[in-house]
Amino acid sequence: AQKITQTQPGMFVQEKEAVTLDCTYDTSDPSYGLFWYKQPSSGEMIFLIYQGSYDQQNATEGRYSLNFQKARKSANLVISASQLGDSAMYFCAMREGSSSGGGADGLTFGKGTHLIIQP
Amino acid sequence: GAGVSQTPSNKVTEKGKYVELRCDPISGHTALYWYRQSLGQGPEFLIYFQGTGAADDSGLPNDRFFAVRPEGSVSTLKIQRTERGDSAVYLCASELTGSYNEQFFGPGTRLTVL
Repeated sequence: AQKITQTQPGMFVQEKEAVTLDCTYDTSDPSYGLFWYKQPSSGEMIFLIYQGSYDQQNATEGRYSLNFQKARKSANLVISASQLGDSAMYFCAMREGSSSGGGADGLTFGKGTHLIIQP
Repeated sequence: GAGVSQTPSNKVTEKGKYVELRCDPISGHTALYWYRQSLGQGPEFLIYFQGTGAADDSGLPNDRFFAVRPEGSVSTLKIQRTERGDSAVYLCASELTGSYNEQFFGPGTRLTVL
């Protein structure tokens, strides 16, 4: 079974609009961390935002916020006021066994969503 | 400040050959990870080092793959008897254990097996 599911292979969004990228996850571990990474066409993986399973509030980092719905096992990324430079692949990932997110097993990634921002 | 570096950036080899891919993590980062990213997929975990020892090598696909980190810094991923299916981008990431949450990724090595 897929541990991370990203159901949107590709999305087209108009510049300045908000966009939501979907991510659902599957784990029986009560301690886990959820991550979003951006991968532009140049190939580097850029960390965007993190949510721990015990965090009470949704994570925010500038224009990025994570809509964490624990009961639904959902961790959608919201990008406000999209910009042309946001065009990239976006990956949701999970690390099990550590709600602090650090120094444990490797990340399990989804297949990604290709986001294209149109002017 | 230097980030994670990987060499070579591109490697083309023939089926059956041996290759080594190098990762130089951020100085002081004790945790080091190798991932493989095939075309159109997300990265797939291969192996994780904590210091010099492999803490988790459950992602290595078979015994043709091996990785070392002898001094707890630079790591080398070794692939024997390469196959065409090994063609992918191999990503390395490092992390300061106990830190907030961020794995810092290198630019990757694109391996092509002809």
